[in-house]
Amino acid sequence: ETGVTQTPRHLVMGMTNKKSLKCEQHLGHNAMYWYKQSAKKPLELMFVYSLEERVENNSVPSRFSPECPNSSHLFLHLHTLQPEDSALYLCASSQDWANTEAFFGQGTRLTVV
Amino acid sequence: DQQVKQNSPSLSVQEGRISILNCDYTNSMFDYFLWYKKYPAEGPTFLISISSIKDKNEDGRFTVFLNKSAKHLSLHIVPSQPGDSAVYFCAASASPTIFGNEKLTFGTGTRLTIIP
Repeated sequence: ETGVTQTPRHLVMGMTNKKSLKCEQHLGHNAMYWYKQSAKKPLELMFVYSLEERVENNSVPSRFSPECPNSSHLFLHLHTLQPEDSALYLCASSQDWANTEAFFGQGTRLTVV
Repeated sequence: DQQVKQNSPSLSVQEGRISILNCDYTNSMFDYFLWYKKYPAEGPTFLISISSIKDKNEDGRFTVFLNKSAKHLSLHIVPSQPGDSAVYFCAASASPTIFGNEKLTFGTGTRLTIIP
């Protein structure tokens, strides 16, 4: 148990669907992250939130929309995804944005059909 | 352009022997390096790190070596145990700017299999 919980663990969605991924941390951390892991590719940082404000957006398509309502919760809203968006989406948190040691959730395995 | 490279996608090592995982980087601004371990269906777990002011950091069975001139780091696990079978990611970051941006750049991972 790393203190970072992601739901759902698995998600299959059609290209016209709207779904959301949820991440929750109870570590008292101030920074939260979304990463994408595709097969045979490095982990890609998607979004960074620090103290509930988005501080980084790495050229992610607008069909991915993050939301951080408070420092413990992070969402990734998905709409009109493409099959190539199928991947493992990992949430992580760290004490603060400058702390590079992050705790990861177990990930959501997303399949777009 | 892949700034952090793990050129061996997989590695098999006999139990009890030494496992050596390698990582190369191209960005000379990187000065902090981390290794993460990932089991199937779980997120990566932080394992060990090293700052560029050091060339070696040891934690139990795990030792990370950094060769700055070669832009190369390695993770040594000795003795290797079956529970060490996992995917190992190398990651690197540059010193924070005044804005505190320390984005991690990850390699593609090496799958380590320990043979009993």
